[in-house]
Amino acid sequence: AQKVTQAQTEISVVEKEDVTLDCVYETRDTTYYLFWYKQPPSGELVFLIRRNSFDEQNEISGRYSWNFQKSTSSFNFTITASQVVDSAVYFCALSDPIKAAGNKLTFGGGTRVLVKP
Amino acid sequence: DTAVSQTPKYLVTQMGNDKSIKCEQNLGHDTMYWYKQDSKKFLKIMFSYNNKELIINETVPNRFSPKSPDKAHLNLHINSLELGDSAVYFCASSRRLAGVEHEQFFGPGTRLTVL
Repeated sequence: AQKVTQAQTEISVVEKEDVTLDCVYETRDTTYYLFWYKQPPSGELVFLIRRNSFDEQNEISGRYSWNFQKSTSSFNFTITASQVVDSAVYFCALSDPIKAAGNKLTFGGGTRVLVKP
Repeated sequence: DTAVSQTPKYLVTQMGNDKSIKCEQNLGHDTMYWYKQDSKKFLKIMFSYNNKELIINETVPNRFSPKSPDKAHLNLHINSLELGDSAVYFCASSRRLAGVEHEQFFGPGTRLTVL
């Protein structure tokens, strides 16, 4: 069975600090995808990144960066120079591709990030 | 230009009633999903349809019945509502190209409150 663990339930930082969110996953699949989603206070789920299990290159997008380490089954997310608008719940997710089409996402419990001005 | 839409956004109803939530996507995706988010923010998949065919049916009470009239729509009907059904229900859709799974796009969610 697949499992995603986000050990940090809540992180509070002051604006401009960096914040790193941890994500550890378990799967027996050799091919899988990892995702991060953001859920701001307004409630919608916003896609941030998808990474496939064969691509271990780290990725940077603006103030966001992701560190994928297959050896430790981790896919951590860093927000650099945090801003108040980054306040949200962030979810890490692991896919279980279905043979025909589509995939089932297993979500971690989420990490609430609170950025104070 | 809404990608994935759900109606209604809020639904307040009495225990024992039957209700439906509608979902539509205009992204041309083949696969649609229903997820439930409980009061602790935990997200869990309920159902998935691909081209109107049910492909995921998690351990969900049979009071919940999804229906997909076409690949752009996936509705969720709930019979005999119970207090524990109170949650936010999210619809999502995705595409698969050349065997590669792409990300799921989520609707705005429907907050269901059962009194």
